[in-house]
Amino acid sequence: NAGVTQTPKFQVLKTGQSMTLQCAQDMNHEYMSWYRQDPGMGLRLIHYSVGAGITDQGEVPNGYNVSRSTTEDFPLRLLSAAPSQTSVYFCASSFGGTGGYNEQFFGPGTRLTVL
Amino acid sequence: AQRVTQPEKLLSVFKGAPVELKCNYSYSGSPELFWYVQYSRQRLQLLLRHISRESIKGFTADLNKGETSFHLKKPFAQEEDSAMYYCALKGNQGGKLIFGQGTELSVKP
Repeated sequence: NAGVTQTPKFQVLKTGQSMTLQCAQDMNHEYMSWYRQDPGMGLRLIHYSVGAGITDQGEVPNGYNVSRSTTEDFPLRLLSAAPSQTSVYFCASSFGGTGGYNEQFFGPGTRLTVL
Repeated sequence: AQRVTQPEKLLSVFKGAPVELKCNYSYSGSPELFWYVQYSRQRLQLLLRHISRESIKGFTADLNKGETSFHLKKPFAQEEDSAMYYCALKGNQGGKLIFGQGTELSVKP
């Protein structure tokens, strides 16, 4: 099992460019989510999905889009990159939500810089 | 409001000293709390969850509803405990996790 994989590992964008951060998991997890990690802010939830075809907004969704066409994949799209989106992005997945004994498994992260 | 607060950005101790990483939460209802850890150059991983009442790598955490706290403790710190620690609360909307700001633990020899 590869677990949760993310590509690319590093990316530099210019303001206004768009791009897609890829996330895939091979554990047949229903729940997937995207976080951004900023110094002093912890991890903040961007978007999440409770299953294929179902997505919802988290705490900081503005400027990002997601879709969930398959159980395995949960890409995050930056529509028009801004310097405020410079961050480290983590994808995570778990069985049936985040509570109880449902451990969230995290990807290695994507470090994004927007100039 | 649902919120997790970790008041210390950095905690530095010597090897063998006791460690306590503080976590306070704000939540109406019965909270579910977790500690996640991120070692250098590794991905974030679950350390322990309060419902298990377990001890992992010598760490324990007790939920104190009166003080709304879930502090992480270890009696004798080891150098390999140096890492970033995040306290997390299960939110009541969509099962999302709410993370604290994180505390960097540095254990010196």
